[in-house]
Amino acid sequence: EEQLMESGGGVVRPGGSLRLSCAASGFTFDDYGMAWVRQAPGKGLEWVSGIDWNAGSTSYADSVKGRFTISRDNAMNSLYLQMNSLRAEDTALYYCARVTGGLTLGAFDIWGQGTLVTVSS
Amino acid sequence: EIVLTQSPGTLSLSPGERATLSCRASQSISSYYLAWYQQKPGQAPRLVIYGASSRATGVPDRFSGSGSGTDFTLTISRLEREDFAVYYCQQYGTSPPNSFGQGTKLEIK
Repeated sequence: EEQLMESGGGVVRPGGSLRLSCAASGFTFDDYGMAWVRQAPGKGLEWVSGIDWNAGSTSYADSVKGRFTISRDNAMNSLYLQMNSLRAEDTALYYCARVTGGLTLGAFDIWGQGTLVTVSS
Repeated sequence: EIVLTQSPGTLSLSPGERATLSCRASQSISSYYLAWYQQKPGQAPRLVIYGASSRATGVPDRFSGSGSGTDFTLTISRLEREDFAVYYCQQYGTSPPNSFGQGTKLEIK
């Protein structure tokens, strides 16, 4: 079964850092681009960042550019999101998602269950 | 930046009825790059339609997508109780690479 499982969420103070991880299983990880999508409590979906199959291309939403870094380890079938200078408005459920294709562009056909990040003093 | 506007915000229908959900883009996008997702409470989103009209794996044929340019539609021909959820459209063809609509809540009347 094709699965994604996020981890690493938690409570962090404004200005702090957190690293999210996403473990993939059941498919050939390095055939696909990957993405992070977040959802603030009671709100809609917001794309955060994407990375192509070999990490040759990355992209970010303006709201996180310069603060978040996406990366992947194909040998470990894992996706990461390093989040620095966190703000209250970054509080959300963070989903890892598989892109339909090897690039950063595409629909998201597999999603994890999400990991909750809360930024609060 | 392309902005997607979904309407209506909430749609109240009964099982067996037909649902029509709209997604309008602020500028023209290729039909290849429009998707629809279903999200139920407490669950991750699920891909329903990609490429504007192609059903994702396992999606029943009562779901259909159509449209081009700036106007796209998700139609559910005969609603079943499991279809009541929030639906989001997404474009993934331009920079920034991805943006979502604000969602349409499909609720039981």
